[in-house]
Amino acid sequence: QVQLVQSGAEVKKPGASVKVSCKVSADTFTNYYIHWVRQAPGQGLEWMGIINPSGGTTTYAQKYQGRVTMTSDTSTSTVYMELSSLRSEDTAEYYCARSLGYCSGGHCYGTVHFDHWGQGTLVTVSS
Amino acid sequence: DIQMTQSPSSLSASVGDRVTITCRASQNINNFLNWYQQKPGKAPKVLIYGASSLQSGVPSRFSGGGSGTDFTLTINSLQPEDFATYYCQQSSSPPLTFGGGTKVEI
Repeated sequence: QVQLVQSGAEVKKPGASVKVSCKVSADTFTNYYIHWVRQAPGQGLEWMGIINPSGGTTTYAQKYQGRVTMTSDTSTSTVYMELSSLRSEDTAEYYCARSLGYCSGGHCYGTVHFDHWGQGTLVTVSS
Repeated sequence: DIQMTQSPSSLSASVGDRVTITCRASQNINNFLNWYQQKPGKAPKVLIYGASSLQSGVPSRFSGGGSGTDFTLTINSLQPEDFATYYCQQSSSPPLTFGGGTKVEI
């Protein structure tokens, strides 16, 4: 059964960092790529980046370069997304999602659609 | 970055109606276009990938078309469970980008 299970809601102060986890099934960890997508309250969807869980390679959206770090732990089949220097505009639901295809070096390869998603993690940034 | 523009941003429809949503890319993305449905408080769900391929388990009343820069999502015979927000997403090159969404209301 495909599962992407995310960690619980977080409340952070401006300037702090947050680390959200996404535990995936073994098959997903080995054969798929994991993306992070966020959605501010009442707003649309925004792609943050992609990680190859088994190899650890990443591609980030330019907007988040220098502030986001995506990592993976092969021993627990868990992927992490850490966002630093938080500001109020980072208040959003953060989702992990998987795809068979991947993007790297300015190109995408294969079909990069998100066929399974985590349940979302609400991150609230407030003083 | 490739900009994705959806229209309309919202529409009112009735059960049984045929609904068409359009999505335009700022440059040629061939057929690298996906459609998602999102209901309040839930993660999005993929409906169509590769512009016209129906995701497994999705009802056949959903269909996608187009290539290059102009795409459509059509829902034939709208059902009560179809009232939701729909997003297009390009997967031609990073950063992957989404349209602004179309809210389908009663």
